[in-house]
Amino acid sequence: DAKTTQPTSMDCAEGRAANLPCNHSTISGNEYVYWYRQIHSQGPQYIIHGLKNNETNEMASLIITEDRKSSTLILPHATLRDTAVYYCIVTGNDMRFGAGTRLTVKP
Amino acid sequence: EADIYQTPRYLVIGTGKKITLECSQTMGHDKMYWYQQDPGMELHLIHYSYGVNSTEKGDLSSESTVSRIRTEHFPLTLESARPSHTSQYLCASRPGSGANVLTFGAGSRLTVL
Repeated sequence: DAKTTQPTSMDCAEGRAANLPCNHSTISGNEYVYWYRQIHSQGPQYIIHGLKNNETNEMASLIITEDRKSSTLILPHATLRDTAVYYCIVTGNDMRFGAGTRLTVKP
Repeated sequence: EADIYQTPRYLVIGTGKKITLECSQTMGHDKMYWYQQDPGMELHLIHYSYGVNSTEKGDLSSESTVSRIRTEHFPLTLESARPSHTSQYLCASRPGSGANVLTFGAGSRLTVL
């Protein structure tokens, strides 16, 4: 099963872009990359997913490298409410969440 | 609007009691999951199901059991609660195909005295 590696924590200034990396070097050709975030102890919230093309929605953008071994979630204008734990998972790992990245957006 | 419901939201119970945490979804999802999470800590998969009469243990050793008699219902049971079971339990579901986005319930916070 493909595993993911993320930095433990990151800081970002309010209004700036937050770029959250994820390594998934063992991903298989048909596995998707999903991003979720968890605010406090609420259930994780879906953000975005992709296979190999870059994706954008109203919440974020997802950039996947050409070799698909890593990806970056971009929050273009981070706000204080984006402070959360962000999880990157791949479908082959069947919904197993790692420790994620704790993003702190600072004023 | 959440289409996956967990009850109770909060439960304080004494050691040795049997408890069942309920999880129901109205989306017709085939796949359902239970996670355990202590405050500020990692989400651990403890049980999952790919459909009716299918249940599997996850990664974290858990003394709980689950059942899947109906598609919409995935209850988790602790036969004899202990203080070490104090945690938050999150239920989630997703379709068997397509976008495969997980939808989470609001969670059940269990305290065992």
